[in-house]
Amino acid sequence: AQTVTQSQPEMSVQEAETVTLSCTYDTSESDYYLFWYKQPPSRQMILVIRQEAYKQQNATENRFSVNFQKAAKSFSLKISDSQLGDAAMYFCAYRSDNDMRFGAGTRLTVKP
Amino acid sequence: DTGVSQDPRHKITKRGQNVTFRCDPISEHNRLYWYRQTLGQGPEFLTYFQNEAQLEKSRLLSDRFSAERPKGSFSTLEIQRTEQGDSAMYLCASRRINSPLHFGNGTRLTVT
Repeated sequence: AQTVTQSQPEMSVQEAETVTLSCTYDTSESDYYLFWYKQPPSRQMILVIRQEAYKQQNATENRFSVNFQKAAKSFSLKISDSQLGDAAMYFCAYRSDNDMRFGAGTRLTVKP
Repeated sequence: DTGVSQDPRHKITKRGQNVTFRCDPISEHNRLYWYRQTLGQGPEFLTYFQNEAQLEKSRLLSDRFSAERPKGSFSTLEIQRTEQGDSAMYLCASRRINSPLHFGNGTRLTVT
């Protein structure tokens, strides 16, 4: 089974600063999708950003962007101009045709 | 789009009892997933349906667990003879082909 690894259990960032969350994955597939989900204390998972593996251009969504390195199987999330509302658990996820797996998560704290 | 709905939100049961959870996916989402999440961890895949067909089951899904999606719409997850180790948040998610997962709020199970 494909695995998703988030090596940073916890990260903190000062409000308005930039933070990068790391994610690596293991797969033998060539066609897949990668996602970052956010789970605030209310616990509903919310999609932050997604990347199709066949696209070379890194996805961006407002203050959120990814650094997708397909050969290295790396998919990091950069949050710019961090806000207090960004504080949450962030999960990296991998999806092939039927399979969807999540990493263990990174807890992000935003300091005012 | 009313979102993915899960019922109940919370369930407290005594060890040995059976419990059943319900998930109503977003309409026209043909794919439905069940995940289990314990505190501070990422969602662990349990099972997946495409329409009414259960296409994949995790090894985490012991014989005490059964899931159905009889008409390809709502799904139920039943746990028989509950054990304390079953205490967790059970998340349901759905999606269309080539679209991201949308999660429900989850059902928190506490086995006493």
